[in-house]
Amino acid sequence: EPEVTQTPSHQVTQMGQEVILRCVPISNHLYFYWYRQILGQKVEFLVSFYNNEISEKSEIFDDQFSVERPDGSNFTLKIRSTKLEDSAMYFCAGGTGQYEQYFGPGTRLTVT
Amino acid sequence: AQTVTQSQPEMSVQEAETVTLSCTYDTSESDYYLFWYKQPPSRQMILVIRQEAYKQQNATENRFSVNFQKAAKSFSLKISDSQLGDAAMYFCAYRSMYSGGGADGLTFGKGTHLIIQP
Repeated sequence: EPEVTQTPSHQVTQMGQEVILRCVPISNHLYFYWYRQILGQKVEFLVSFYNNEISEKSEIFDDQFSVERPDGSNFTLKIRSTKLEDSAMYFCAGGTGQYEQYFGPGTRLTVT
Repeated sequence: AQTVTQSQPEMSVQEAETVTLSCTYDTSESDYYLFWYKQPPSRQMILVIRQEAYKQQNATENRFSVNFQKAAKSFSLKISDSQLGDAAMYFCAYRSMYSGGGADGLTFGKGTHLIIQP
């Protein structure tokens, strides 16, 4: 059964650096999402992406964040200038637009 | 905006027993989806069960079932014959059916940590 994959599994970066988190969604999915989970807290929606553009975004998704699907396969989340409070688990998810969203295993981002 | 509340930060159950996890939500919409996701220590989010609000019948997936009370805005998860592998964080989630099409993100509760006692 196909699965959403994410790389890297763990990323350590210094404050102020740019990071790119990568996701390979399931091929028949049309909608793609990024979520964030700060340790010990609930999962929070960041952004959804459909037809090569952002569909919805939350208040968390400010100008330091961007998403793209450069090659029709990978779906990336870029954080331009990381801050300590960006340390979290970042989940990519995909779906057909109906019903549930299928999550990847997550990337643990540690900002030092 | 919708909110999801899980009032039980932690629950403990003996192996092979039944446990019920609570979830309430607040919405002004009439059509939506509700989900339970499981997050084991690996932190992967795994879908457990889904309920469409327009369906009166409660969803069931093997040992997992829900008690969906639309008027009360309640969506509890019952796990029968609990197994050690059920130990995890369980998150209740809400998704609008129409307002954003498929673009709407899920709104999660804070989670319930389920402990299985052998």
